[in-house]
Amino acid sequence: AQSVAQPEDQVNVAEGNPLTVKCTYSVSGNPYLFWYVQYPNRGLQFLLKYITGDNLVKGSYGFEAEFNKSQTSFHLKKPSALVSDSALYFCAVRDSRGKFQFGAGTQVVVTP
Amino acid sequence: NAGVTQTPKFQVLKTGQSMTLQCAQDMNHEYMSWYRQDPGMGLRLIHYSVGAGITDQGEVPNGYNVSRSTTEDFPLRLLSAAPSQTSVYFCASSYSSGGRGTGELFFGEGSRLTVL
Repeated sequence: AQSVAQPEDQVNVAEGNPLTVKCTYSVSGNPYLFWYVQYPNRGLQFLLKYITGDNLVKGSYGFEAEFNKSQTSFHLKKPSALVSDSALYFCAVRDSRGKFQFGAGTQVVVTP
Repeated sequence: NAGVTQTPKFQVLKTGQSMTLQCAQDMNHEYMSWYRQDPGMGLRLIHYSVGAGITDQGEVPNGYNVSRSTTEDFPLRLLSAAPSQTSVYFCASSYSSGGRGTGELFFGEGSRLTVL
């Protein structure tokens, strides 16, 4: 069975500082990994995905994620956080049938 | 370009009532799914479908029914609502096969259900 873990319930960062949101996964076979963001009272929005290829994946709004097979991690990063990045972030893994498993989510709070 | 459309956005039910949450997508996605989101518990999969006529249970299926008679529609039925079903429900869809199987999920805006 596949699973995803987001070890931090909340990440606090000052505006302009680097932002990292952690994610580890457990899958059999090749991992298909995703990051989503949710703003209050909205549905989830896709940020980026890793399927194959380069371990550093670039996505929307200046976010990127680094796939590390040996550490089974897929951490989300942004070099310089904005107050508008404050939101709930979800890591997810997808199986071959299309079924997604989501982590519990990490609340990001960016302070001015 | 509608994407994934969920209705209603808000609903209040009394215990024991039944209702259907509607979900429709116009992207010809094979895969459709329903999640519920509760504080501190992330997204939990209720039911999913990999194509018309095919449905399967997720991790929290009890109290919910689904059907998939067309590619576009995937309604979620609450048979006899309970307060434990108070939640925000999200429908999501994606491509799942034929070389497009690495696609991301597209989400609806959610349906907030309160059961009294």
